[in-house]
Amino acid sequence: DSGVTQTPKHLITATGQRVTLRCSPRSGDLSVYWYQQSLDQGLQFLIQYYNGEERAKGNILERFSAQQFPDLHSELNLSSLELGDSALYFCASSVRDGTYEQYFGPGTRLTVT
Amino acid sequence: GQSLEQPSEVTAVEGAIVQINCTYQTSGFYGLSWYQQHDGGAPTFLSYNALDGLEETGRFSSFLSRSDSYGYLLLQELQMKDSASYFCAVSPNQAGTALIFGKGTTLSVSS
Repeated sequence: DSGVTQTPKHLITATGQRVTLRCSPRSGDLSVYWYQQSLDQGLQFLIQYYNGEERAKGNILERFSAQQFPDLHSELNLSSLELGDSALYFCASSVRDGTYEQYFGPGTRLTVT
Repeated sequence: GQSLEQPSEVTAVEGAIVQINCTYQTSGFYGLSWYQQHDGGAPTFLSYNALDGLEETGRFSSFLSRSDSYGYLLLQELQMKDSASYFCAVSPNQAGTALIFGKGTTLSVSS
């Protein structure tokens, strides 16, 4: 158990819908990272927040957005969902702003039908 | 572009030694990490190399050659529980924010 929690564990929704994935980092960690893992693309970095501020953006679609709240939990919002958005979404956290040693949560498996 | 190449699959038997290679081509490079992921689980950090050479952590070692843009993960005394996917990941800059992951190598250990 890494200490990072993610909810929900599974999510099934229809195309065109909007969902919110939630992540609570390890106690004391200020950085939160979001990754998407699909069979054909592997682990893709989406976005990073540090202490409430956006720090880095990867290949995140405009339909996706995220934020980190004052209590340091983070939410990833996915809208206008498409079949291709079906994937495993991981949240990771670290103490410092940007580090190679990141602690991953159990992931949210999103299925878009 | 950014690319990391690693073999898609490796098989070995218990007690053996296996090496998983990773070559990278990225616009920036600060270090190479290795992560392990069991089927359906979360990636877990194994090791990191910022400088050339070998880093040893128990049964696992990781090597980096910056001049060759190459690294490897060496797993010794293989156990069944080592069956998992192994990912190399590049930190493209000192801030190390966006880890760029390879597509992973699936290691199957048999008895």
